[in-house]
Amino acid sequence: GAGVSQTPSNKVTEKGKYVELRCDPISGHTALYWYRQSLGQGPEFLIYFQGTGAADDSGLPNDRFFAVRPEGSVSTLKIQRTERGDSAVYLCASSPGLASGEQFFGPGTRLTVL
Amino acid sequence: DAKTTQPNSMESNEEEPVHLPCNHSTISGTDYIHWYRQLPSQGPEYVIHGLTSNVNNRMASLAIAEDRKSSTLILHRATLRDAAVYYCILRGPNTGNQFYFGTGTSLTVIP
Repeated sequence: GAGVSQTPSNKVTEKGKYVELRCDPISGHTALYWYRQSLGQGPEFLIYFQGTGAADDSGLPNDRFFAVRPEGSVSTLKIQRTERGDSAVYLCASSPGLASGEQFFGPGTRLTVL
Repeated sequence: DAKTTQPNSMESNEEEPVHLPCNHSTISGTDYIHWYRQLPSQGPEYVIHGLTSNVNNRMASLAIAEDRKSSTLILHRATLRDAAVYYCILRGPNTGNQFYFGTGTSLTVIP
């Protein structure tokens, strides 16, 4: 079956612009996670959704970052007033629920802020 | 964050077993030990997880020390496709049930 998909695969933007990154989880998965990965580092947790609600957003670095999942399926990560330090690969993962030990990751969106 | 310590890199010859160590001396009784791997230019991929007993699946085995302060991921026969960064992660109430990845072990498989 289809895995987690993310669009776009690459996004180049200028400092100060607004960007949206999309994640399509595996059908039926209620839990959805966003991570950010900088070069040479492991993924860094940003936010977790259970259904439509953000159950844990403790990893969001500041209020320029926001994510939504209005219908409990597709999620969008939104970054306002982008900064060069936001350049990274943004990964999305989904799982059948929080109790599941396995998260299924998408291929990521590479964001470059010039 | 519940911390794990792994070697930065390891090498293995193709078709030989690989033992990837992980230290987690501050593990709590409710933390699960998870292993994920990340191939170049891909998202992480689940490998295995366990709590106290050793675990086996089609990809690997997980050996957990009796005191749970360390664990070893065992790949029984390394192939070139196993070249990846392997992450050992603790997950439980102390981590908010979230994954906190470290920098992992970069495994090179030599043909």
